[in-house]
Amino acid sequence: DAGVTQSPTHLIKTRGQQVTLRCSPKSGHDTVSWYQQALGQGPQFIFQYYEEEERQRGNFPDRFSGHQFPNYSSELNVNALLLGDSALYLCASSWGVGGTGTDTQYFGPGTRLTVL
Amino acid sequence: QKEVEQNSGPLSVPEGAIASLNCTYSDRGSQSFFWYRQYSGKSPELIMFIYSNGDKEDGRFTAQLNKASQYVSLLIRDSQPSDSATYLCAVNTNAGKSTFGDGTTLTVKP
Repeated sequence: DAGVTQSPTHLIKTRGQQVTLRCSPKSGHDTVSWYQQALGQGPQFIFQYYEEEERQRGNFPDRFSGHQFPNYSSELNVNALLLGDSALYLCASSWGVGGTGTDTQYFGPGTRLTVL
Repeated sequence: QKEVEQNSGPLSVPEGAIASLNCTYSDRGSQSFFWYRQYSGKSPELIMFIYSNGDKEDGRFTAQLNKASQYVSLLIRDSQPSDSATYLCAVNTNAGKSTFGDGTTLTVKP
């Protein structure tokens, strides 16, 4: 049973550039959520995709955007990178949206983004 | 006040002891509660989830939930050095949005 996969593993960009991160959910899952985890902090919710639509969004600027494809995989795009965007970006997959018993999330290995 | 609060630690216990990790949350509409373990440089790994008041046991781990007090805890019995990690508490609303605490760092000393 394939777990959540993310690519790339590491990425180095400079300020002002744009980046795209990719995620494939666990087999049988249809919902993908993205998180940003800065050093020493817990993951911060960016947004969640279900049925190819953004269903919920955390407190992140419009520079952060995403997409979900018909095969449930997802991309996170960040434009105009800032030094503060340096973090571990985590993708988590689950089945369905909301409701007890359907929202257990499993995380991928993450993408470490460094902005210079 | 943060939505999900955890003692940052570090919490240090001797091998074989019980480690007790605590978490409080502010949103009374929260419906599901999760504990994750995160080793340094790795992604969070799901340990347990709990939805109803009371205790839930899984091997050496016991999760406790008290919705009236807005409190969730994780007990680790017979702690092992391999349990040394950061433990993250996560709380979900009925829409599935997850809010995490900043984690408690646990060190189990041989």
